[in-house]
Amino acid sequence: KNEVEQSPQNLTAQEGEFITINCSYSVGISALHWLQQHPGGGIVSLFMLSSGKKKHGRLIATINIQEKHSSLHITASHPRDSAVYICAVPAVSDDKIIFGKGTRLHILP
Amino acid sequence: DAGITQSPRHKVTETGTPVTLRCHQTENHRYMYWYRQDPGHGLRLIHYSYGVKDTDKGEVSDGYSVSRSKTEDFLLTLESATSSQTSVYFCAISLTGDTEAFFGQGTRLTVV
Repeated sequence: KNEVEQSPQNLTAQEGEFITINCSYSVGISALHWLQQHPGGGIVSLFMLSSGKKKHGRLIATINIQEKHSSLHITASHPRDSAVYICAVPAVSDDKIIFGKGTRLHILP
Repeated sequence: DAGITQSPRHKVTETGTPVTLRCHQTENHRYMYWYRQDPGHGLRLIHYSYGVKDTDKGEVSDGYSVSRSKTEDFLLTLESATSSQTSVYFCAISLTGDTEAFFGQGTRLTVV
């Protein structure tokens, strides 16, 4: 059983739409990472959060530790937001990191 | 940008040859990781290190070895490359705890 579940797996939307990507996890964590990977590109850290909410430009990440759930929101989406978004959870019990399988986002102009 | 670089960025090698990939960091971070990324599998941990000379296996460690003789360098070696090791390899630091994660640019390895 995958301990980190992301939804949806794939998402296609029109430019300007509000986007939500969800991440649920079953392990105890110290923090949660949201990562972005453009096609053929490297992996970039968007957020690291352990509580509440963080905002960076049009991106907003929230986490509810009690419910073991995090969301990544993109406001006023743009074709350049097209990428794979990955949720990653460092388990507190050991040194391992658990990755979600990613959400492939495609924003149409 | 965080100081983490991988070399080489691209490599084509023949089956049976040894290959070493290098990850270099300037962040003085304790934890370093090697992942491979394949379609349909996402990121899978090969090996990781929690300090100089301290390493441990990940979920797909067969056929790979690592070494960390100094904090800044983490080497991944394929002793005898096979076609199943054709992949994109990523090095990462700072994935545990409450600090931002950083990834290298990736190494695209093709074994022919």
